[in-house]
Amino acid sequence: DAKTTQPPSMDCAEGRAANLPCNHSTISGNEYVYWYRQIHSQGPQYIIHGLKNNETNEMASLIITEDRKSSTLILPHATLRDTAVYYCIVPGGGNKLTFGTGTQLKVEL
Amino acid sequence: DTGVSQDPRHKITKRGQNVTFRCDPISEHNRLYWYRQTLGQGPEFLTYFQNEAQLEKSRLLSDRFSAERPKGSFSTLEIQRTEQGDSAMYLCASSYPGQGYGYTFGSGTRLTVV
Repeated sequence: DAKTTQPPSMDCAEGRAANLPCNHSTISGNEYVYWYRQIHSQGPQYIIHGLKNNETNEMASLIITEDRKSSTLILPHATLRDTAVYYCIVPGGGNKLTFGTGTQLKVEL
Repeated sequence: DTGVSQDPRHKITKRGQNVTFRCDPISEHNRLYWYRQTLGQGPEFLTYFQNEAQLEKSRLLSDRFSAERPKGSFSTLEIQRTEQGDSAMYLCASSYPGQGYGYTFGSGTRLTVV
């Protein structure tokens, strides 16, 4: 799996957009970027994935730079329930996901 | 669709005892995965099933660990002669072909070895 780098923690005010960055400079041309989150004491939850185009779903938006070396997950209106660890993953093929330590997002009033 | 179910949610056992966890995947998912997560770390891959066949095992899965999926539906993970280092959250996930890496995870079984 391509290595990803994320900040260990971020804070966000409730109602504001949360922008979570991820660097994946060694990504190859056909590798996707996946995002998961893990709320305390729960299993990881799939959020979104993308290859080169920006993607949006009911949970979040994913912006991938043109050179694909970095991406940003955007939660447009963060709520307290979005407090979680967010993982950016570039699966390298095979049958497993390799999780790093992610970004702990804390949404505060 | 009731999601991925894991049982029990919590297990406390004495060192040296055997424990078994169960995972019920989403019914139409033929792929099943086990992960382990220790405090402050991301989940680590343990093993993968496609239907009843165990196709991949991590080196983390020592000979004290065994996983089965006898009829290609539910799966069990057994740990024999538990050690304190086995204390962790054990997570199960499932997926179907064509879903890519968008797995559905269960809530996990928290094992504490005392």
